[in-house]
Amino acid sequence: GIQVEQSPPDLILQEGANSTLRCNFSDSVNNLQWFHQNPWGQLINLFYIPSGTKQNGRLSATTVATERYSLLYISSSQTTDSGVYFCAVGLPGGGADGLTFGKGTHLIIQP
Amino acid sequence: DAGVTQSPTHLIKTRGQQVTLRCSPISGHKSVSWYQQVLGQGPQFIFQYYEKEERGRGNFPDRFSARQFPNYSSELNVNALLLGDSALYLCASSPGTYTPYNEKLFFGSGTQLSVL
Repeated sequence: GIQVEQSPPDLILQEGANSTLRCNFSDSVNNLQWFHQNPWGQLINLFYIPSGTKQNGRLSATTVATERYSLLYISSSQTTDSGVYFCAVGLPGGGADGLTFGKGTHLIIQP
Repeated sequence: DAGVTQSPTHLIKTRGQQVTLRCSPISGHKSVSWYQQVLGQGPQFIFQYYEKEERGRGNFPDRFSARQFPNYSSELNVNALLLGDSALYLCASSPGTYTPYNEKLFFGSGTQLSVL
C-alpha cells in the first residue's frame, strides 16, 4: 500500500513562531487532505489540496504532486494551534481503500 | 447546521461482547466512512458506504461490519470484541455529489471504545 511519512514527528515552539510541516507519499495520489486533531480528539479538516497552493488565514498548504510531497505552513503560532497534524492521501481510481493517514506531527505551542 | 454526530461518546465493553456505534452525517451528505484510531497512530480506514452500498473496505476482520440506512446514517458493528479493538472510532461524511471518492472529509468527535 501507499506509504505516508510526516516530519518532524514532534515540534515545540514559542507563541508567535512560524512552522513548516512536511508530508511525503510514495505513490501518485488524487486526494490529499490536512487535518488538525485537537486535545479532545476532534479531527478538523484544514485543507483539501491534491495539488497547488491554498491559504486560510494564518495557515497555508502547498502540494507538489509530481514530486510526491505536501507542506503545511503555520504562521504566528497561537497556543490553540497545539495538537496533532495529520496528512492523509487517497489513490487514483477510486476510494475503495479510503484515505491513508500518516503518523502525524505533534505540535506544542508554548505561551 | 449540525456536523457529523456520533453516539455514544464513550463505551466500556468486555472481551467477547458485541458493540454497535452510530453515526449521523452532515445534512445532505450521502457518503459515510468509518476509521479506527489507536492511541498514538493516525486513523485507519475500515469502511466506506455510499447510497447504502459498501464502496470500500479496509484490512479489518469479518468481525467488523457496517450498514447505511435510507436517511444516510450509519452503524458500525464489532462482534467478539478483543482487547486490541480498544480505540477511538471515527465517522466521516462527504457530500457524494458527483463521486463518493476524492472529496473533503468531515469527521465526528468519535466514540472511545474500551475493551476490558
